[in-house]
Amino acid sequence: QSALTQPASVSGSPGQSIAISCTGTSSDVGAYNYVSWYQQHPGKAPKVMIYDVSNRPSGVSNRFSGSKSGNTASLTISGLQAEDEADYYCCSYRGSSTLAVFGGGTKLTVL
Amino acid sequence: QITLKESGPTLVKPTQTLTLTCTFSGFSLSNGGVGVGWIRQPPGKALEWLALIFWNDDKRYSPSLKSRLTITKDTSKNQVVLTMTNMDPVDTATYYCAHRFDYDYYFDQWGQGTLVTVSS
Repeated sequence: QSALTQPASVSGSPGQSIAISCTGTSSDVGAYNYVSWYQQHPGKAPKVMIYDVSNRPSGVSNRFSGSKSGNTASLTISGLQAEDEADYYCCSYRGSSTLAVFGGGTKLTVL
Repeated sequence: QITLKESGPTLVKPTQTLTLTCTFSGFSLSNGGVGVGWIRQPPGKALEWLALIFWNDDKRYSPSLKSRLTITKDTSKNQVVLTMTNMDPVDTATYYCAHRFDYDYYFDQWGQGTLVTVSS
């Protein structure tokens, strides 16, 4: 059982927008603006797509955006493309003794 | 360019101790501002953060696994070593090492991962 709750799966058609939620508590997501999102293709290492709730690393498409409200963070992918099909994990800081807690992951299917 | 690569046994027996090595390039753990962490992922399951060591030898562990984990660094070899005692089949997973800056709260570069199977 993961610390953060994500939907197991989401799907969308090419060109559409989807959102993936990540629900934590007032001790992690709600307490800090240190939520990150990782994309993982099968058999590959995770890749950071969003950090500090809404910042994109250099090289990540601006189709990816992040936000947070209360204890829930969200990753939005606009203009879905086939290459976006992957697993997505959220991650939050939970204080100096628990540097990172992950969500259970969401499988994105591009129909 | 930062790169990391994990190495270690692919198979360990229950109750044995696992030792994994992360060999990296493109940065130094003798310089300020960086850290290397370990994250694992059981087959078909979610990521789980295990441990992290900073350039100043500050070490942090997952509270649920703290009693079984030790993380160390060898700056002369550009390596970070993770040991996990009393291995169990539920510890079967791909183990990743990853880089982060100490002023950041995310892992910006990851190794390719190494699959460790625990079985008698």
